[in-house]
Parts: sequence; structure tokens; C-alpha cells
Amino acid sequence: DTAVSQTPKYLVTQMGNDKSIKCEQNLGHDTMYWYKQDSKKFLKIMFSYNNKELIINETVPNRFSPKSPDKAHLNLHINSLELGDSAVYFCASSQDGSSTDTQYFGPGTRLTVL
Amino acid sequence: KNEVEQSPQNLTAQEGEFITINCSYSVGISALHWLQQHPGGGIVSLFMLSSGKKKHGRLIATINIQEKHSSLHITASHPRDSAVYICAPVFSGTYKYIFGTGTRLKVLA
Repeated sequence: DTAVSQTPKYLVTQMGNDKSIKCEQNLGHDTMYWYKQDSKKFLKIMFSYNNKELIINETVPNRFSPKSPDKAHLNLHINSLELGDSAVYFCASSQDGSSTDTQYFGPGTRLTVL
Repeated sequence: KNEVEQSPQNLTAQEGEFITINCSYSVGISALHWLQQHPGGGIVSLFMLSSGKKKHGRLIATINIQEKHSSLHITASHPRDSAVYICAPVFSGTYKYIFGTGTRLKVLA
């Protein structure tokens, strides 16, 4: 069974559209994250949720809105997609979000905005 | 200046060579993680360090908190070790990884 899963794996869409990426973890973890990896392969945190509550919100445009219906799911909704949103988005989870926690990553979703 | 610097950025080695990847950071940390990103894109966590040294198979990770430096060593490297290795310290007072730029390793048979 996959520990952290993301859907879809690939997403190609037009500028201006709204899209969602789903993430689920079956590890029983309390904390989930969204990361963006740009074309230069640089990873950067976007959001972190602990038990459905937002704990980290980096400088991310308001067009990005995370939603956590329960602690096993953290979905990412993006409004009015722009060319610069093209990237690979990784979801991750960890036991309780402490600095010594190991994070488990999903396989990534490659978003291409045309 | 990046808060986390890795060197080298790219490394090509022959199978069997001893590999060292370095990571330096600029402020105090509570922990440091080493990650491996496979050519297919998947990311796995290799080590979490808050002091000293850890070993797992052919991989060894060390950290010197005073010098703000960590190293990842691979002994008897193998082509399957080819990947991007990413250092991710957690700065004191925060709970988030700050990622290095990664070291792209290619091991030739």
C-alpha cells in the first residue's frame, strides 16, 4: 500500500483555469505538507497542516488554497492558473511535525500550465 | 546568499569510489535531514541528524553543529546511487525544512 499518494500524477491545463491536486496518507500521521519544486529543481515549502489546522503558510499567492477535510488528506486548490505555476508539487507527511520528524513524500504531481 | 549551500553541485564518479557531499548552513538548527531524489522524481528521507554521526548501509552522515556543517558519505558507490542528494536543515524555532540546492550524483559502471 502506498504511504503517501497524490492524484493526478500529471496535470496539463490552460492559463486561467482552476485545478486541484489531492493528497492522502495512510500512515496515521498528524502533519501534512505541500512543497513546490521549480524548473531548477529547488524545493520550497508552501503549507503545513497539523491535525487539520494550518501551521505554516509561506509567501504563497492567495490563488493557492489548501484544504484538509481530515488529518489523512491535504488537498491543494489553485485558482486562475498562471504560467509560473508550472512545477512539480510534492505532498508529504510526518508524525507530529517536529524538527526531528522524518517526512514521507508522495510521488509528486507535475503541473504544466499552457 | 542562500541560507543552505551544498557542494559540489554536480559529481560524476566511477563505481566503487568514496563520495562526499557537503552542506553548510548559516544559522542555528535543531535538526538536519538528508534526502535522496531518484531520477524518476521520488523523494526519500535518508537521515535525520541533530548531532554526531549516523550510518545506514553504505551511507554515513555526519554533522558538526559548531561549524554549521554536515557531510554525506557514500562508500563503495554504485550506479544505483545516482540521484540528487538534498540537505534540509530545520532552523531553530521553526518546524520547516529549508532545502539546499541539491547535489546531482552520477556513478558510472
